[in-house]
Amino acid sequence: SQQGEEDPQALSIQEGENATMNCSYKTSINNLQWYRQNSGRGLVHLILIRSNEREKHSGRLRVTLDTSKKSSSLLITASRAADTASYFCATDAGAGGTSYGKLTFGQGTILTVHP
Amino acid sequence: GAGVSQSPRYKVAKRGQDVALRCDPISGHVSLFWYQQALGQGPEFLTYFQNEAQLDKSGLPSDRFFAERPEGSVSTLKIQRTQQEDSAVYLCASSLYRGPYEQYFGPGTRLTVT
Repeated sequence: SQQGEEDPQALSIQEGENATMNCSYKTSINNLQWYRQNSGRGLVHLILIRSNEREKHSGRLRVTLDTSKKSSSLLITASRAADTASYFCATDAGAGGTSYGKLTFGQGTILTVHP
Repeated sequence: GAGVSQSPRYKVAKRGQDVALRCDPISGHVSLFWYQQALGQGPEFLTYFQNEAQLDKSGLPSDRFFAERPEGSVSTLKIQRTQQEDSAVYLCASSLYRGPYEQYFGPGTRLTVT
């Protein structure tokens, strides 16, 4: 079963614009991760944010986490055609030291960036 | 270095056949996961290994699914008496440690059951 729900299901933008994707989940989490999937490179890890963190940056990526609302967002700034892919949030609900990393994925957002 | 590799990349099986899917994780990675991804969906957890020990098989959909990692490196996912609903991409991922860390995914095996 999928824990997370991504919104929107599909997003189409022009190169240079920003893209924001949202993820909501149902249970308490240890951490939340974002992955990108395209046909060329499979699933690739983008960023991990722990439950005690509120915001994290990596290059053109910015992730926020609001555990009170059980939601996260991924912002891609100055998008490029190469960012075209499906983006998934994945939650690790393992409690503290017992977590072994089992991930529950959302259904994904399909991002298309037009040159 | 080499990433996670999976073989075969594509497999067509007739309903009722047995199949075996192989995963070569990154060398030295303790944790190994199998996921199933249906078309248009996110991956769903099947099973987890810490070294050679299968610690969680709660996601295996039926007793026709069996996974092993006998020496703590290569893993095989076996599906017996395949059914059409088994058609999916099977993804393998490894992680250096046990715990909440990023996972490195292989390219997947696309299984089509006819």
